[in-house]
Amino acid sequence: DTGVSQDPRHKITKRGQNVTFRCDPISEHNRLYWYRQTLGQGPEFLTYFQNEAQLEKSRLLSDRFSAERPKGSFSTLEIQRTEQGDSAMYLCASSAGGPSPLHFGNGTRLTVT
Amino acid sequence: GNSVTQMEGPVTLSEEAFLTINCTYTATGYPSLFWYVQYPGEGLQLLLKATKADDKGSNKGFEATYRKETTSFHLEKGSVQVSDSAVYFCALSRQGAQKLVFGQGTRLTINP
Repeated sequence: DTGVSQDPRHKITKRGQNVTFRCDPISEHNRLYWYRQTLGQGPEFLTYFQNEAQLEKSRLLSDRFSAERPKGSFSTLEIQRTEQGDSAMYLCASSAGGPSPLHFGNGTRLTVT
Repeated sequence: GNSVTQMEGPVTLSEEAFLTINCTYTATGYPSLFWYVQYPGEGLQLLLKATKADDKGSNKGFEATYRKETTSFHLEKGSVQVSDSAVYFCALSRQGAQKLVFGQGTRLTINP
């Protein structure tokens, strides 16, 4: 069990650019979640997948955000036309479903200048 | 809607002191309640959980009791250590729902 892996750890980009983050969940976990955390706040739910199906999306996930999990394994989160307000820590988590706990990655810190 | 309110931090204590971090919630139905901890440079980790009223979750000397009458899930530890320094998050998930709703976090610093 190597844990949930996220890449990159840090990303600095200019406003208006597109960015993509990757999450590799624990291999036997069928559920994958994306959260966003801003400074001094708790994580906020963005979306989750069961296998390759995206089953829920938060209203926080504007049209500029898209997440995929094409083969039910790793997932990507893309932000198009980044804005300064997108600066945050983006967290990925996975679970085996049911009452199993969520296992979080170390996150990708995005800074939009 | 569902929400979690935590005691504001930061909290600074001396080693071996008694710790309480307050957490109250608003939710419909019977949510499950969690405490997560984030050590410096690491991801969030589940510390303990309780799934129904009067349940007590415990781990690593920490305890929290699900109190439905006061909608609370306060975190306690009898004698803290320097290694307990971290950010602690209270969270809930509604019955049957997949997502967690987090409080804002409480930064705890333990001085030797």
